[in-house]
Formats: sequence, C-alpha cells, structure tokens
Amino acid sequence: EADIYQTPRYLVIGTGKKITLECSQTMGHDKMYWYQQDPGMELHLIHYSYGVNSTEKGDLSSESTVSRIRTEHFPLTLESARPSHTSQYLCASRGYYGYTFGSGTRLTVV
Amino acid sequence: ELKVEQNPLFLSMQEGKNYTIYCNYSTTSDRLYWYRQDPGKSLESLFVLLSNGAVKQEGRLMASLDTKARLSTLHITAAVHDLSATYFCAVDMAGSQGNLIFGKGTKLSVKP
Repeated sequence: EADIYQTPRYLVIGTGKKITLECSQTMGHDKMYWYQQDPGMELHLIHYSYGVNSTEKGDLSSESTVSRIRTEHFPLTLESARPSHTSQYLCASRGYYGYTFGSGTRLTVV
Repeated sequence: ELKVEQNPLFLSMQEGKNYTIYCNYSTTSDRLYWYRQDPGKSLESLFVLLSNGAVKQEGRLMASLDTKARLSTLHITAAVHDLSATYFCAVDMAGSQGNLIFGKGTKLSVKP
C-alpha cells in the first residue's frame, strides 16, 4: 500500500501549457524530493525540501518550481511546458528507515 | 562531489547462472541503497546497507557493503527471468541531510 501518492500517473499536454504535478505523503516525513528520469536512464535530483517553507534546487537544472506549504504536500509546477520536459518525474520522501518513492508521473509534451 | 559508478551498465544472463553487479562511490557515505525498477514503473526498494561489512539477502539477491573500499555488490544467484529489470544503487552523501545520488543503473536481461 503506497504511502506516497503522485497524480496524474500519465499526462500528455501541449507546448506552452502550465502544469502542476502533485505529490502527497501520509508518513509525516519532513524531507521530500523530486527526481527526473528519462526512460531507462539514471535519476537526477531536481528539487528537495527539508520541511515547510524550505525548498532547494537539486543537481540538475530544471525550469520547474516547487512549493512546500504543508508537510504532506510537495507539488511541482511547470509554467510553460516544452517538449524537452518530456520525462518521468518521481517524488520521494525520507524517513528514518530510508526513502519511499511514489509511482511517478510520465509527462509527454507535444 | 559524490560520484556513484555502476558496472556493468548492461548485463545479459542465462537462467541458472550467477553474476555480480558492482557499485563504487567516491566519498564517505552514511548509507547505500539498492533499488529495482521495471520498465515504466517506479523504484522498488531492495536493500539498505548501513555499515561496513553489512550483508543482506532476499531470495536470489544478496547485497554487501565495504565502506573502506567504497564498494557495494549485488550478487545474483541462479538467475530467473523474473529478475529482468534495471537495478540502481544510490548513496546518501555524508552530511548532506539525505540527498540520494544514483548510479546510472544496470539493465539486467535474463534469458531462458
């Protein structure tokens, strides 16, 4: 049973549209992360948060933004989607025993 | 800067054979993780290795950690087709407050 939820699971959207990928966790974890992964490739950290009102950019430059207004919610927003944003986006949270990953959002920008 | 290197990146095995995947990392780490990913899916946690000499086994998979050599191995015993997937190691950078750095992954294909 998943404790971290991502929606939507799949999204096809036109260039220039604004989108928000949702991520919620029920474990009360302070630390949350967004990773970007092209099919079959390595994961790259694009954003992370250590708690409410804390957000930082990761190792991979991204045109997306994030917010952390509530502990359980860590949405990622693209103001103007482009085909180069086509990828899988994975959300994760960290507890004492390690990381839990969401099921991912597969984004296609046409 | 922490770097995590896996090898091989691609591995084609026959059922019943044994093989080892290697994961090297460049700086001191708190923890090392192994994940499995099926095509189009998210990451499934396999093992968390916390200390030097740690060894964990689950079914046909066994993971070990040598912190002095900065090396972890994932050993596959008597491979079966169901083990076909991509396997990632990931390292918590010491003092980083928990940002995982991933290797490039090893794509394993087990053939009859």
